[in-house]
Amino acid sequence: AQRVTQPEKLLSVFKGAPVELKCNYSYSGSPELFWYVQYSRQRLQLLLRHISRESIKGFTADLNKGETSFHLKKPFAQEEDSAMYYCALSRGSNYKLTFGKGTLLTVNP
Amino acid sequence: NAGVTQTPKFQVLKTGQSMTLQCAQDMNHEYMSWYRQDPGMGLRLIHYSVGAGITDQGEVPNGYNVSRSTTEDFPLRLLSAAPSQTSVYFCASRDRPNTGELFFGEGSRLTVL
Repeated sequence: AQRVTQPEKLLSVFKGAPVELKCNYSYSGSPELFWYVQYSRQRLQLLLRHISRESIKGFTADLNKGETSFHLKKPFAQEEDSAMYYCALSRGSNYKLTFGKGTLLTVNP
Repeated sequence: NAGVTQTPKFQVLKTGQSMTLQCAQDMNHEYMSWYRQDPGMGLRLIHYSVGAGITDQGEVPNGYNVSRSTTEDFPLRLLSAAPSQTSVYFCASRDRPNTGELFFGEGSRLTVL
């Protein structure tokens, strides 16, 4: 069975500092990885997905199959990045998404 | 496009009462699902459906029922509410398997006294 681990429940950084939200997964096949974000009083939304290899709002994430990780990074955090971030995994022809427990990021002024 | 619409947004129940959380999507997605969100537990899948007439259990299905009579609607029923079901519930639909995006509703906050 697949599992997604986000080791940090809370992460606090200062504006302008780099930020890295960690995500590790366990799955024997080739998964698809995603990051979802929930800003205060907004619905959950897709931030980025591995297959797109794009940068959204300055965030990037690289799939490292050797370390089974998909860490989310941003070189210079902004206050508006404060939110709950969830890493998620999908496999094969399956519709189901398995989520990690989430990391609450706070960017202080 | 309204996307995924959930009702009600807030509900307070007494232990033992039943209720239905409604979910509708207008994107013609085959896949629909219900998650619950609890502090420290993340998002856990309750039930899901891959098309009209097809439903299956997720990670935490006990105490909940679902049905899927149309592509658009996927209601979640609490048969006899318990305090452990106090949570925020999210309905979500997905446009395709594997790489597709999961579209969420705004959430329904349920409190069981």
